[in-house]
Amino acid sequence: GALVYQYPRRTICKSGTSMRMECQAVGFQATSVAWYRQSPQKTFELIALSTVNSAIKYEQNFTQEKFPISHPNLSFSSMTVLNAYLEDRGLYLCGARTGGYAEQFFGPGTRLTVL
Amino acid sequence: QQKVQQSPESLTVSEGAMASLNCTFSDGTSDNFRWYRQHSGKGLEMLVSIFSDGEKEEGRFTAHLNRASLHVSLHIREPQPSDSAVYLCAVRGSALGRLHFGAGTQLIVIP
Repeated sequence: GALVYQYPRRTICKSGTSMRMECQAVGFQATSVAWYRQSPQKTFELIALSTVNSAIKYEQNFTQEKFPISHPNLSFSSMTVLNAYLEDRGLYLCGARTGGYAEQFFGPGTRLTVL
Repeated sequence: QQKVQQSPESLTVSEGAMASLNCTFSDGTSDNFRWYRQHSGKGLEMLVSIFSDGEKEEGRFTAHLNRASLHVSLHIREPQPSDSAVYLCAVRGSALGRLHFGAGTQLIVIP
């Protein structure tokens, strides 16, 4: 079956430091990866959509300078939160899918706490 | 930009009684509407994905879509305490892979 793993599941970092999270697709080819953030008391916001061999599209309020994403192959993507501050706390979800109208599979998320 | 709103914010039901959750959206041209749930501290679990008007059943979960009314609902038959979670409505956006989420309904099922 299709599975998406995320690592780490939980992480704590000091304010002003950076934190990298990973997303691994197993059992299917992750042509497209979407990164979402769920901040405390909020719903999921799309950060960016990444398609292999295409430019990564960031949503308004999110930038490559703050959330650089790597999507080097059809099974792996990573995102870094640079200079993390309190407002970056939350659950970061990776949703991966094969191209076209294929189903999107979500990982369990990486929960980021910023001290 | 698609706007997705859910009601109620919180719902408490007794075990075995039907639970009904509502979701309205602003743009009816989307081709896919989904219900997910999120247990406390966990990721997303997809419950039902519906593409056309009418009803779609997945086990105890039934989604009703009425695109003209910009409304999709979720009905949970015989809810159990383990169904207590936040239920999220999501509408597929124009960019493939993009989902617009509602704020969620907190469901509490009392034994």
